[in-house]
Amino acid sequence: DAGVIQSPRHEVTEMGQEVTLRCKPISGHDYLFWYRQTMMRGLELLIYFNNNVPIDDSGMPEDRFSAKMPNASFSTLKIQPSEPRDSAVYFCASSLRASGVTDTQYFGPGTRLTVL
Amino acid sequence: DQQVKQNSPSLSVQEGRISILNCDYTNSMFDYFLWYKKYPAEGPTFLISISSIKDKNEDGRFTVFLNKSAKHLSLHIVPSQPGDSAVYFCAASAQNSGGSNYKLTFGKGTLLTVNP
Repeated sequence: DAGVIQSPRHEVTEMGQEVTLRCKPISGHDYLFWYRQTMMRGLELLIYFNNNVPIDDSGMPEDRFSAKMPNASFSTLKIQPSEPRDSAVYFCASSLRASGVTDTQYFGPGTRLTVL
Repeated sequence: DQQVKQNSPSLSVQEGRISILNCDYTNSMFDYFLWYKKYPAEGPTFLISISSIKDKNEDGRFTVFLNKSAKHLSLHIVPSQPGDSAVYFCAASAQNSGGSNYKLTFGKGTLLTVNP
């Protein structure tokens, strides 16, 4: 079974440019999560979707960040314009809803973003 | 304000000995706790979990202990193996109205090094 797929694995861009990160969740999973990992703040949840609908975006740092999930097999996280402080590793995760059970989140390999 | 704290950034143990990783939390609404393991250039992978109705959960060499009164949990690895060398993240969630725990709050992680 393919796990969560993220692309690109590495992205280097210049300040002010638009950055788009992509995620393909595990087939059949109906929850999708975007996380950001930095040295200062650790691993923090940015936003999550249920059945393609954004449920909680309280972790999105600023209006420069936006996320979409146009269908069950694809999501994007966009930063426009990007800034050096956005440099981090961005993870996508997915999970399967099972009533009454806490669901394991499966993480992708991450996208390492460097904004110069 | 960090709700999940891992106060030891790193831990080094000898192969065959016990590794003990600690985690403290402040939010009394947390009722489900998880440990994830992360190798370099990979996403975190689920290791073991515990519900607040239990104080211990064991899976092979891995045991998680929960002390609700102290708001403290620990992960024991016995015996430790060089392949266990990784970053270990503690995570917690609070039951939401839907009956499943979707939102995970992570600690900053502890780097475990198991020396041969």
